[in-house]
Amino acid sequence: DADVTQTPRNRITKTGKRIMLECSQTKGHDRMYWYRQDPGLGLRLIYYSFDVKDINKGEISDGYSVSRQAQAKFSLSLESAIPNQTALYFCATSGTSGRKDEQFFGPGTRLTVL
Amino acid sequence: GNSVTQMEGPVTLSEEAFLTINCTYTATGYPSLFWYVQYPGEGLQLLLKATKADDKGSNKGFEATYRKETTSFHLEKGSVQVSDSAVYFCALRNQAGTALIFGKGTTLSVSS
Repeated sequence: DADVTQTPRNRITKTGKRIMLECSQTKGHDRMYWYRQDPGLGLRLIYYSFDVKDINKGEISDGYSVSRQAQAKFSLSLESAIPNQTALYFCATSGTSGRKDEQFFGPGTRLTVL
Repeated sequence: GNSVTQMEGPVTLSEEAFLTINCTYTATGYPSLFWYVQYPGEGLQLLLKATKADDKGSNKGFEATYRKETTSFHLEKGSVQVSDSAVYFCALRNQAGTALIFGKGTTLSVSS
């Protein structure tokens, strides 16, 4: 099921361009996250948001910004892309009751910065 | 700070072999521990979890026991299948509950 969707799925861009990656969810979760995955480094947290008015920096937020437009939407922006931001980017969500420990991941966006 | 260390891969096994992927953690207090799996071309899915010492998480034939004395959460499966080929991530969530901290991932390749 496509409870967490990401657009685009693939993107190639040039150094210096502004890029926005979008995430939408239909799970009704308050909490949303952006991670990047690099080979051999696992997943690292970029930003997270516990509700529409709450935005927090993660481990590697430099060079990125986010916008929580609504409960269901959380966008990640690269204001001026650089080659070492080439990576696989994942959005995730989690709830605050029931299976609150579990994060649900989108399919990922593969970004290449030339 | 909090961290997760898991064995480096790739791990290559024949079908029906026994699997162990080691995972140890560093954290204050009593974190919740997880194993996530990433199949080729997909996002991560929760495989199993344990929230307190001596808990055993299990799913799809995989098991892991939360060992506080050794700060470990090793993943095991008695008989792997080709369909188990994937990348496996150990992760923890600390008591503050902000977000997950992942290990670097271990690639498992199972051949028939």
